[in-house]
Amino acid sequence: DTGVSQDPRHKITKRGQNVTFRCDPISEHNRLYWYRQTLGQGPEFLTYFQNEAQLEKSRLLSDRFSAERPKGSFSTLEIQRTEQGDSAMYLCASSHPARGLTYEQYFGPGTRLTVT
Amino acid sequence: AQRVTQPEKLLSVFKGAPVELKCNYSYSGSPELFWYVQYSRQRLQLLLRHISRESIKGFTADLNKGETSFHLKKPFAQEEDSAMYYCALRVQGGSEKLVFGKGMKLTVNP
Repeated sequence: DTGVSQDPRHKITKRGQNVTFRCDPISEHNRLYWYRQTLGQGPEFLTYFQNEAQLEKSRLLSDRFSAERPKGSFSTLEIQRTEQGDSAMYLCASSHPARGLTYEQYFGPGTRLTVT
Repeated sequence: AQRVTQPEKLLSVFKGAPVELKCNYSYSGSPELFWYVQYSRQRLQLLLRHISRESIKGFTADLNKGETSFHLKKPFAQEEDSAMYYCALRVQGGSEKLVFGKGMKLTVNP
């Protein structure tokens, strides 16, 4: 297991197009997070899955954004009708509860989206 | 509301100099703080967490609840410490999401 993977690593799209990103968490990690990072900022929480259930969504996640995690394994994040303000790095993280330890989040390399 | 503040964006020092990266937080609950690091062209990774009270790569950080701070320190910086450093707070309960500061770029010159 080489850690959290994300695909694609880079995406350039025109305004108004739809894009979809994929995240493969570390095996057996039941918690999966999406964050967004814009230039000069730290990552900001978007949404969270526990197994296949999406349990929390940030107000940053407008109705153009949708995320899924079918079967509780990989996850997809789709952005419809992209806008230039959606240009950012989209990070995925996963974690698994361990007795006596906190839930360390392991991050993927990110997908850099550029909307032209 | 929870918030993490890293007041400085850039820090440049010479090898062997001490470094201190400042982090302040605002949180109504019992805080759990972390430092994450991102080296050039690498992914974000955990450096240390306050609950472990450990020293990683010579870095330490002490949680000061009175001053609501979690500053990262290293007595003698090395060139390989050059990276982006992010302070983060775990929001307990529910998702246990992380709230990050804006980050600070540390450059250690030879």
